[in-house]
Amino acid sequence: AQSVSQHNHHVILSEAASLELGCNYSYGGTVNLFWYVQYPGQHLQLLLKYFSGDPLVKGIKGFEAEFIKSKFSFNLRKPSVQWSDTAEYFCAVLSGGSYIPTFGRGTSLIVHP
Amino acid sequence: SQTIHQWPATLVQPVGSPLSLECTVEGTSNPNLYWYRQAAGRGLQLLFYSVGIGQISSEVPQNLSASRPQDRQFILSSKKLLLSDSGFYLCASPRAGDTEAFFGQGTRLTVV
Repeated sequence: AQSVSQHNHHVILSEAASLELGCNYSYGGTVNLFWYVQYPGQHLQLLLKYFSGDPLVKGIKGFEAEFIKSKFSFNLRKPSVQWSDTAEYFCAVLSGGSYIPTFGRGTSLIVHP
Repeated sequence: SQTIHQWPATLVQPVGSPLSLECTVEGTSNPNLYWYRQAAGRGLQLLFYSVGIGQISSEVPQNLSASRPQDRQFILSSKKLLLSDSGFYLCASPRAGDTEAFFGQGTRLTVV
């Protein structure tokens, strides 16, 4: 069975700091990769996704993620975080023809103004 | 456009009481539907998924059950709630023509 690991469970940063959240998955075949974000009191929503092509994917609000197949990783990055980025971030994987995404445990990000 | 409606948004129930959470999808037909639970510090755990009316698959054996009485309706139930059933319950479905999942607003259940 596929699994997704998010190693950073709680991250606290000051505004303008750089962010990198780790995500590793276990499946060795073709994968679709996603990052979701849940702002306080709001729906879980898609931040960005990778299906194929350029392994560097750009999403909303200045976020990007890089798919490194050899490392089974899909880390999320942002060069300069803002207070409004405070949220919970989830990495998810679709693999092997499955239509049900597997999610990581999530990372709680707090950005201090 | 597709939307998912979940209700209620919050619920406080005593241990041993029954539960019924409802999810309805608009803007698509014959969707795959999922129930996830987000427990504190444990991420999103898939509970049930359904590919059609009356078709339910359970991922985790537990105190909960699911039903799909209509194409766009997915219900999560329990006959007797446990304290460990507390959590945030999310209904989800793939966006039509895509593989990304989109979610309802969720129901925060507190069992006391």
